Amino acid sequence: NAGVTQTPKFQVLKTGQSMTLQCAQDMNHEYMSWYRQDPGMGLRLIHYSVGAGITDQGEVPNGYNVSRSTTEDFPLRLLSAAPSQTSVYFCASSYRGDSPYEQYFGPGTRLTVT
Amino acid sequence: GQSLEQPSEVTAVEGAIVQINCTYQTSGFYGLSWYQQHDGGAPTFLSYNALDGLEETGRFSSFLSRSDSYGYLLLQELQMKDSASYFCAVSMDTGRRALTFGSGTRLQVQP
Repeated sequence: NAGVTQTPKFQVLKTGQSMTLQCAQDMNHEYMSWYRQDPGMGLRLIHYSVGAGITDQGEVPNGYNVSRSTTEDFPLRLLSAAPSQTSVYFCASSYRGDSPYEQYFGPGTRLTVT
Repeated sequence: GQSLEQPSEVTAVEGAIVQINCTYQTSGFYGLSWYQQHDGGAPTFLSYNALDGLEETGRFSSFLSRSDSYGYLLLQELQMKDSASYFCAVSMDTGRRALTFGSGTRLQVQP
């Protein structure tokens, strides 16, 4: 299993540009989440999904959209990039089972907005 | 609002024992998790407590007191590779499967 994969690994955007960060998992996990991590900080929840077709907002959703058309994929879309969105973005997944709170994280996407 | 407090930095020597504390104030509580993150890497799961008491996994143990809104991570027989950031994280309800993280404790292990 590849686990949780994210693309791209690095990205530089200009202010106002839009882009989609890709996330996929091959573990058949129902739950998927997007977090952002700013330097020296913990992770903050952007959006999450409890299954295909179901998404909800987290702590810092403004400026981001998500969709979940399949169990495997959970892309994050930046609508109009701003310098405040410079951060490292992590996607995570977990399954509905005996260890519900073990989340598996992807390697991250390092985004710079100039 | 939600808040999790943990020390920003801890230093210890190889072979020693270190305890990283976490206190939380959240609108709901289902469990406390601990994650390790090396510089430039992704968080990896260490342990989880839903009930009061101690959970042991090899050199790592985690403790929870729900009445005190308090938990800690205990690392024994410290090794250089344990130098990393450690995050406590709260799950606020069983349905969300999403976490609220503390700001992390940077552990430096010295020879």
